[in-house]
Amino acid sequence: EDQVTQSPEALRLQEGESSSLNCSYTVSGLRGLFWYRQDPGKGPEFLFTLYSAGEEKEKERLKATLTKKESFLHITAPKPEDSATYLCAVQGGSEKLVFGKGTKLTVNP
Amino acid sequence: NAGVTQTPKFQVLKTGQSMTLQCAQDMNHNSMYWYRQDPGMGLRLIYYSASEGTTDKGEVPNGYNVSRLNKREFSLRLESAAPSQTSVYFCASPYEIGVYVETQYFGPGTRLLVL
Repeated sequence: EDQVTQSPEALRLQEGESSSLNCSYTVSGLRGLFWYRQDPGKGPEFLFTLYSAGEEKEKERLKATLTKKESFLHITAPKPEDSATYLCAVQGGSEKLVFGKGTKLTVNP
Repeated sequence: NAGVTQTPKFQVLKTGQSMTLQCAQDMNHNSMYWYRQDPGMGLRLIYYSASEGTTDKGEVPNGYNVSRLNKREFSLRLESAAPSQTSVYFCASPYEIGVYVETQYFGPGTRLLVL
């Protein structure tokens, strides 16, 4: 059974304090790993898709990396507007996405 | 191009009442999904439809039924609502290339309160 575990559950940072969110996964045949951002009261918003170990993708202050067991979402010099819940999901052989429970990020000014 | 739309945005039901949540996508995607999101539980798949005319159970299908009305529309029905079905419901539709999901687009959600 495919599983996704995200840590920490919550993270509080000061503006400009860089950090990383972790997504550990077990899946039979990884087809893709996905990162989403979710603001309160809204649907998840797509950030990245990674397909193979060693792959990296960047968008503004965010950088996602992938190994065979986990993915990291690195946040460089975060701003208060980066505050959100970040969701990780994997697609394995079942073709359906399996989601983690998310990391709630708060960036204080 | 609205992506994925859902109606209603918010609904209050009494135990035992029925209702249908509507979802539509204008991206010409084959697959559509219904999830529920509860605090501390993450997104859990209720039902999905891989193509027009087909539906399959997900992780938490009990108490729900679905209809894939056409390629655009996928509805979720609660026949007899229970307080345990209080949740936020999201419809989603993936952009797929073969068996690979490139990304999955979500609707804005329906917040359901069952009293």
